[in-house]
Amino acid sequence: KQEVTQIPAALSVPEGENLVLNCSFTDSAIYNLQWFRQDPGKGLTSLLLIQSSQREQTSGRLNASLDKSSGRSTLYIAASQPGDSATYLCAVRNTGNQFYFGTGTSLTVIP
Amino acid sequence: DAGVIQSPRHEVTEMGQEVTLRCKPISGHDYLFWYRQTMMRGLELLIYFNNNVPIDDSGMPEDRFSAKMPNASFSTLKIQPSEPRDSAVYFCASSPSYHQPQHFGDGTRLSIL
Repeated sequence: KQEVTQIPAALSVPEGENLVLNCSFTDSAIYNLQWFRQDPGKGLTSLLLIQSSQREQTSGRLNASLDKSSGRSTLYIAASQPGDSATYLCAVRNTGNQFYFGTGTSLTVIP
Repeated sequence: DAGVIQSPRHEVTEMGQEVTLRCKPISGHDYLFWYRQTMMRGLELLIYFNNNVPIDDSGMPEDRFSAKMPNASFSTLKIQPSEPRDSAVYFCASSPSYHQPQHFGDGTRLSIL
């Protein structure tokens, strides 16, 4: 069974810093990997989706990379802002069409 | 677009009662997903539909759980009888196709006493 791990579980940084969130998965037979953010009391908002054939995706200050062979993905956030404070989750979709979520990284950006 | 709409937002009921959660996906989205989120287990996929047909229900925990999608604009997740361990936040999500990102509703926070 696919296992998805996110480290660290929590992260606190001062405003303006660049930061990296990590996601690792045990089975490299994935179809795609998606990064979400979740605000308290809300659902998940999709940030970036990387297909298995891609190496990275970018959207504004966010950049996500994927290394299938090593079972890793990173989400890079440039010039962090207090509004970036949220829980960030990665989710893997297996080729068998099953979905697995990590437990998330809770990010706090201090003004 | 109004996004994925779930109701109710909160539900508190006693053990043994039937619970029905509702979801309206985004118009034109062919895929609909039901998830459960708890502190202990994180986010788990329960079941998903393609064009109103259940494709994979392997995540449904027990026979007490059932889901239907009678048409493209409505789905229900039912728990009968409910138990305290069913307490969680239940999310519905939809996506236009297999290849595209999922859009989530705000969830139903369910408490079984």
